Amino acid sequence: NAGVTQTPKFQVLKTGQSMTLQCAQDMNHNSMYWYRQDPGMGLRLIYYSASEGTTDKGEVPNGYNVSRLNKREFSLRLESAAPSQTSVYFCASTWTGKQETQYFGPGTRLLVL
Amino acid sequence: GENVEQHPSTLSVQEGDSAVIKCTYSDSASNYFPWYKQELGKGPQLIIDIRSNVGEKKDQRIAVTLNKTAKHFSLHITETQPEDSAVYFCAASKTASKLTFGTGTRLQVTL
Repeated sequence: NAGVTQTPKFQVLKTGQSMTLQCAQDMNHNSMYWYRQDPGMGLRLIYYSASEGTTDKGEVPNGYNVSRLNKREFSLRLESAAPSQTSVYFCASTWTGKQETQYFGPGTRLLVL
Repeated sequence: GENVEQHPSTLSVQEGDSAVIKCTYSDSASNYFPWYKQELGKGPQLIIDIRSNVGEKKDQRIAVTLNKTAKHFSLHITETQPEDSAVYFCAASKTASKLTFGTGTRLQVTL
């Protein structure tokens, strides 16, 4: 049982380049989330998906798109990366309909030059 | 929307002492308050949570208290150990879908 996995672990992009961050969970969770973590700002929700086929914006969605590929996988895409998107990105998952533990992945550290 | 404030941003205690981290929230409808611990290079991990129908919850050296009237909740760690050194985040939620996190407290336990 791997829990929540994220790829890649680290990525360097140039301004304007695109990339997709991958997330998968093997806990049969319905809900999945993408957060960004910046120094002094905690974790801020970018997008979430309450179930397969649905996605909703969080607090900071601008510049990002998401795809809930199936129940296991939830990807985050940066179409045209900007230095302001330099951050650590975390994926999380939990069961829908309950206020239960969100399980986090190990994170992807992204540097945009 | 919900706003969660967390204090202090850094906290240094000697091994064996107690540590207290405090959070306030703005939305009186929030009813779920988890605490996460984040070790260096890892994702946050739940250490304890409390729901609005409970005033206090303990798990070994860790306890959380909730004051709904004042809209604040606190994490208490007793008999701190070096392995307690980490960043701690509080969060609040009024729905099953979304958590609003505080800005984190870096706890350093010194020998």
